[in-house]
Amino acid sequence: GQQLNQSPQSMFIQEGEDVSMNCTSSSIFNTWLWYKQDPGEGPVLLIALYKAGELTSNGRLTAQFGITRKDSFLNISASIPSDVGIYFCAGSSNAGGTSYGKLTFGQGTILTVHP
Amino acid sequence: ETGVTQTPRHLVMGMTNKKSLKCEQHLGHNAMYWYKQSAKKPLELMFVYNFKEQTENNSVPSRFSPECPNSSHLFLHLHTLQPEDSALYLCASSQEALVFGRLSSGNTIYFGEGSWLTVV
Repeated sequence: GQQLNQSPQSMFIQEGEDVSMNCTSSSIFNTWLWYKQDPGEGPVLLIALYKAGELTSNGRLTAQFGITRKDSFLNISASIPSDVGIYFCAGSSNAGGTSYGKLTFGQGTILTVHP
Repeated sequence: ETGVTQTPRHLVMGMTNKKSLKCEQHLGHNAMYWYKQSAKKPLELMFVYNFKEQTENNSVPSRFSPECPNSSHLFLHLHTLQPEDSALYLCASSQEALVFGRLSSGNTIYFGEGSWLTVV
């Protein structure tokens, strides 16, 4: 089946530093999504990418849909303490119209920001 | 507030109990999902409902029984669970489009806050 490798698994950074994480896939995706999950809460959508090469920003967050359609990255600039959480990438493929928006998730990146 | 509401937020149940998790979406979406999130594992898709019809059962044990009475409500009925079923259960919804008569993916999925289930 489809697999996503997300890295790094965890990051410990100082407030103000930039952060970069990425996901790679063994197969092509048509959609890449990035979510953030706070402890005890459900994932919240940060950025959605629908087109190869697309670069999208949401405040201090920037994500790109890789040109090969097998990877994506998320950057966070000038990190702040509330950026702490688990960041998940997710990809979906509608090959043959059978996936119905089913997402494959990465393992998550645990981000810790020291004040 | 994502527009997907789950209740209860926390549930503790014995292995012989019967309980249900409820999900309601206020987004006008036509697809709903149950996911399971266990420690140190990626999110696992359990069930998919499109237009109230179950379109996917990802080899989930029969002690989990979903019900989708309409496109905005989704239940997960729980019966004779095991301790290893303890996890965060996430409901999600999305708007799926029909393209040339076939359901088209690539749409954004929105999650509820989750129901923490502990089986004792």
